[in-house]
Amino acid sequence: DAKTTQPPSMDCAEGRAANLPCNHSTISGNEYVYWYRQIHSQGPQYIIHGLKNNETNEMASLIITEDRKSSTLILPHATLRDTAVYYCIVRVAGGETSGSRLTFGEGTQLTVNP
Amino acid sequence: GAVVSQHPSRVICKSGTSVKIECRSLDFQATTMFWYRQFPKQSLMLMATSNEGSKATYEQGVEKDKFLINHASLTLSTLTVTSAHPEDSSFYICSARDVGNTGELFFGEGSRLTVL
Repeated sequence: DAKTTQPPSMDCAEGRAANLPCNHSTISGNEYVYWYRQIHSQGPQYIIHGLKNNETNEMASLIITEDRKSSTLILPHATLRDTAVYYCIVRVAGGETSGSRLTFGEGTQLTVNP
Repeated sequence: GAVVSQHPSRVICKSGTSVKIECRSLDFQATTMFWYRQFPKQSLMLMATSNEGSKATYEQGVEKDKFLINHASLTLSTLTVTSAHPEDSSFYICSARDVGNTGELFFGEGSRLTVL
């Protein structure tokens, strides 16, 4: 899996948008960008993933640059419950077992403040 | 969405005893499951890949005789920490791959092991 780089921590005010960046300059053409988050003492939770186009679901939006070397996860209206460690991972979607062996980096600790 | 359940969520044991942690896929079949370990304030580290009906594949540096993995059915994988020591105290997390649907991964809630 391609290496990703994320800032170690970020703060955000409740109700404001949280924009979490991720660099993945060595991403391969068949690798997707996945975002997971881990709330303290829980298992990781899937948020969103994308290949080239921007994606949006009920939790977040994912903006991927045209060269695919970086992406931004956007939580449009952050709440206190969004405080968690956010992991950006690049991997092959579905498919072979090798693509399922996730390598977690250090992630970004997002703290949403009242 | 698909659910992966771990049991127990918390376990405390004495040094030298063995502890078994179960990982179940509740509404899908998983030929492959993954076991991770997470120490406080650190990221998840992959320990092994559990394959249904065959031997697990361990990551470098993980003792296979220490961490026994059994994947006897398409919905259950177990991790047994043998002769546990205080340094084995950690948060153990499993994930399962839904090969019958999207092939996507789902994570369990984690199991916190404390060895006294």
